[in-house]
This record gives sequence, structure tokens and C-alpha cells, in this order.
Amino acid sequence: AQKITQTQPGMFVQEKEAVTLDCTYDTSDPSYGLFWYKQPSSGEMIFLIYQGSYDQQNATEGRYSLNFQKARKSANLVISASQLGDSAMYFCAMREVTSGTYKYIFGTGTRLKVLA
Amino acid sequence: GAVVSQHPSRVICKSGTSVKIECRSLDFQATTMFWYRQFPKQSLMLMATSNEGSKATYEQGVEKDKFLINHASLTLSTLTVTSAHPEDSSFYICSASPLTSGGAFDTQYFGPGTRLTVL
Repeated sequence: AQKITQTQPGMFVQEKEAVTLDCTYDTSDPSYGLFWYKQPSSGEMIFLIYQGSYDQQNATEGRYSLNFQKARKSANLVISASQLGDSAMYFCAMREVTSGTYKYIFGTGTRLKVLA
Repeated sequence: GAVVSQHPSRVICKSGTSVKIECRSLDFQATTMFWYRQFPKQSLMLMATSNEGSKATYEQGVEKDKFLINHASLTLSTLTVTSAHPEDSSFYICSASPLTSGGAFDTQYFGPGTRLTVL
């Protein structure tokens, strides 16, 4: 079963509008971390935001916020006031611990296109 | 801070040759580095976890004899694609996690990637 699910292969948003990118996850580990990364056409993976499983409040970083709903196992990324430079691929990832080591599992990504 | 470099950024080689890709954490120490492979329009696939001073842990289906990983120091890991073939052509990305005090925030920082083309 997929551990990280991103159901939106592509999204469009008008410049200056807000957009939500969906991410659901599956784990039985009580301690885990959730991440969002941006990958522009250059290929570089850019860290955006992090949410720990024990964090009481939703994470925010500038225009990025993470809508963390633990019971529903969802960690949606909200980008406010979209800019043309936000057009990129966005990946949700989860850090999980297996046999004492940790690794990151990525979703299939959502391609966001911001329209002028 | 938290800069990871990767070299080379792009390499073209002939089938049967070996290619070495370097991953360096420039301003932090990393006991753990990860190597990923990404096919066009697809997600990142973890190939192996590289730990300084010990053998790498490979994911299922990844040939350890084909993809040699060496983590020689706290700032350098190398991936060598041995006897490369056209099907090895891909985008290879490394990442590194800084040493922490044991907190939960062990994010990983990515290198810019290496695009390998095997002719």
C-alpha cells in the first residue's frame, strides 16, 4: 500500500490566489515527520515546511502552511498569495523509522501551474 | 546554511564505463546521506542510505554491486555507477541530514542532482 498519496497530478491556480495541495499518509509509527518539497524545472529539491507528529499546531513558513489533520492522516500544503515562481512540482514526504534507521518516502507529486 | 553540493551536474558516458558522483555537505556534518533516483515526471525513489564509516543500506531491488556507495567522511558520500548501460540513464539526487541533538526535526537537504546519460 502506498504510504504517501498525492491524488492531484496537476493543479492550476490564478496568481495571488491561495491553493491547497493534498497529501495523505499511512503509518503505524506514533513518531513521524511530514515534509513538503518544491522541485522547479532545474531539478533541485527545495525544502518548504515540516510537521512533526507530536506538534500541536500547524506548521507555517511564510506563505506556506501545513494543514495537519492527524486523525485523518492528512498533511495538506496551503500556498497563499500564489506567485508565478511557485510553478513547480511539489512533493509530500514522510520520515519513518525502520529497524532503528530512518528514511524518507515520497509521494508521486503534484505539478502546480500558476497563471498570470 | 545547510548546503549540499553534487558533482558533476551532468555527465554523458559510453555504455560499459563507470561514473562517480560526489555528494558533499558544505556547511554541516552529516552522518547519514541518501541517494535517490528520479525518472522523468516521476517521484524520487530511494536507492540507498549511506552511513559514515559503515556499509550502505540498499533498498530492495537496487543492485549493490552496480551502484557502489562510499561514505568516507561526515561531509562526503560517493555513488559509482559501474558498467553503466543506457537503462541507468536518470537523474540522481543525494541528500544529507545534519547531526542533531536528538530532536525530531531531522530534515534532509538535497543536492542539485546529477543527470546521467549513458549512450
